[in-house]
Amino acid sequence: DTAVSQTPKYLVTQMGNDKSIKCEQNLGHDTMYWYKQDSKKFLKIMFSYNNKELIINETVPNRFSPKSPDKAHLNLHINSLELGDSAVYFCASSQDRGLVGANVLTFGAGSRLTVL
Amino acid sequence: DAKTTQPNSMESNEEEPVHLPCNHSTISGTDYIHWYRQLPSQGPEYVIHGLTSNVNNRMASLAIAEDRKSSTLILHRATLRDAAVYYCILRAINTDKLIFGTGTRLQVFP
Repeated sequence: DTAVSQTPKYLVTQMGNDKSIKCEQNLGHDTMYWYKQDSKKFLKIMFSYNNKELIINETVPNRFSPKSPDKAHLNLHINSLELGDSAVYFCASSQDRGLVGANVLTFGAGSRLTVL
Repeated sequence: DAKTTQPNSMESNEEEPVHLPCNHSTISGTDYIHWYRQLPSQGPEYVIHGLTSNVNNRMASLAIAEDRKSSTLILHRATLRDAAVYYCILRAINTDKLIFGTGTRLQVFP
């Protein structure tokens, strides 16, 4: 059973299009995240949600909008795609064990977005 | 956020122990030390974490210096599957952020 699953795994699209990446976790975790890994392999947090509530919103363009229909899902919608959005996007989840600093993240396998 | 410093790359032979160092001289008293690794074309994977005491799990051991300004991830017997980028990350007690640095790329030779 896949703990954190993302779809699609690969996405190739034209500039200006709108696309979504879906994420689901079956671990019963309370918190979900989106990370972006650029071409230089640098991993950066974008968003986190705890029980459907936005907790972290890093400096990300408004074209990126996360949506959490329930605590097991966190989808990422991107409007008006640009060349610079090409990257691998990772979804992750964690269980809040009281001491946030000790929480462990489980990551998905990633979704590679290529904007032409 | 407190910063970590790791070597860009390290090499090991299969079956040998590997010691991956991490310096974090600006660590605060409540920062946890986390290690994750990323295998080629995969998402990051949790390895181990600790606060003050040394920690062991099925994947690795974490040795934390007494002053907590450095730590070492120990892989007891490297396998080819351990070839990955290893990230040492400090995580504040009250933040949900896991901030990745550039990590150490470990190569394992047969």
